[in-house]
Amino acid sequence: QQQVKQSPQSLIVQKGGISIINCAYENTAFDYFPWYQQFPGKGPALLIAIRPDVSEKKEGRFTISFNKSAKQFSLHIMDSQPGDSATYFCAARGRYGGSQGNLIFGKGTKLSVKP
Amino acid sequence: DAGVIQSPRHEVTEMGQEVTLRCKPISGHDYLFWYRQTMMRGLELLIYFNNNVPIDDSGMPEDRFSAKMPNASFSTLKIQPSEPRDSAVYFCASSPFRDSNEKLFFGSGTQLSVL
Repeated sequence: QQQVKQSPQSLIVQKGGISIINCAYENTAFDYFPWYQQFPGKGPALLIAIRPDVSEKKEGRFTISFNKSAKQFSLHIMDSQPGDSATYFCAARGRYGGSQGNLIFGKGTKLSVKP
Repeated sequence: DAGVIQSPRHEVTEMGQEVTLRCKPISGHDYLFWYRQTMMRGLELLIYFNNNVPIDDSGMPEDRFSAKMPNASFSTLKIQPSEPRDSAVYFCASSPFRDSNEKLFFGSGTQLSVL
């Protein structure tokens, strides 16, 4: 069973601090690693994504760091704001398409940013 | 565009009853996905369609679950008979991309409670 293991399950950060969420995977055939953000009562929405040919991708205050050899990737939220309070999901997709190409989601991290 | 529209937002039913969840994808999106979200199992892909044709239904938990997509603008997920363990949030998502998992657009979900 392909898995993406996400930690921590929950995270509390002070406003202005750095939030870090980690994910690890086992399948070396994964070729696309998105992060989704979900607010209460809403569906997940794509936040940022990375492919394994780069080690880092930054979009505003959000950065993905990718370590191919360790099969790990992480989301960093700089200058965290109360509006960032949400549940974050990492995911991975296999490169071969069909069922192998389905997104596998981590179980999520509930982030609370305290003012 | 209004985004992916799901109905109802909440459904409470009794064990043994038939439940039908509805989804209208974003116009022009060729791919439609049904996901189930629970605390224990996270986000699980149930089935997905490409151009109204079911491609992968390996995530459908049992024969009690069925999904249809009679046209490009409408899909249903039916549970008959429903059981308490089916209680979850069910999401519909659509995608315009040929590589279907590049970006999923999720609806706001249907919160299903089976008593």
